[in-house]
Amino acid sequence: AQTVTQSQPEMSVQEAETVTLSCTYDTSESNYYLFWYKQPPSRQMILVIRQEAYKQQNATENRFSVNFQKAAKSFSLKISDSQLGDTAMYFCAFMKHARGNEKLTFGTGTRLTIIP
Amino acid sequence: KAGVTQTPRYLIKTRGQQVTLSCSPISGHRSVSWYQQTPGQGLQFLFEYFSETQRNKGNFPGRFSGRQFSNSRSEMNVSTLELGDSALYLCASSPLTGANTEAFFGQGTRLTVV
Repeated sequence: AQTVTQSQPEMSVQEAETVTLSCTYDTSESNYYLFWYKQPPSRQMILVIRQEAYKQQNATENRFSVNFQKAAKSFSLKISDSQLGDTAMYFCAFMKHARGNEKLTFGTGTRLTIIP
Repeated sequence: KAGVTQTPRYLIKTRGQQVTLSCSPISGHRSVSWYQQTPGQGLQFLFEYFSETQRNKGNFPGRFSGRQFSNSRSEMNVSTLELGDSALYLCASSPLTGANTEAFFGQGTRLTVV
């Protein structure tokens, strides 16, 4: 079974600063996907960024980037130039790369507050 | 393109009753998954349907069931409600074409059991 651990329950940062959210996972699988989802107060989960385990290059989406360390089973999210709209719960999630097994295993989340 | 639609958005039920939640996936998406979100247990996988077949089931009692229709719409049912079933129930749909496994979530149904 897979587990995902987010060790920072809450974080806050000043607007325009950079913040890094941590995530570690445990799996015996060699091929899988990792995701960061954002859940604002509206409750809708929104995909922020995705990483395929077989890709060595770290994924980047505008102000969001990841530091994927496969050997260490670490998958941190860096938010640059943080904005007020980034305030939300952030969940790290794991999915096996296996047809017919597309379930997400989530971490407990990090509540991020951007301070004006 | 319309997103994932969950109805109702809010629901209050009494212990012992049953409830049915509905999820309409994004057009063309054949996979629908359900998750339960609570402050204590976090986000937990309930089940996943693909082409009207349940392919995966999480570790929940048999009171939790679901189904998927030929148009990919899905329903989940909880019978004999308990106070602990109070939660946000999230539905996600995926196209599952090629390497595209992205899950698109609805806004959830907030169930309160009193």
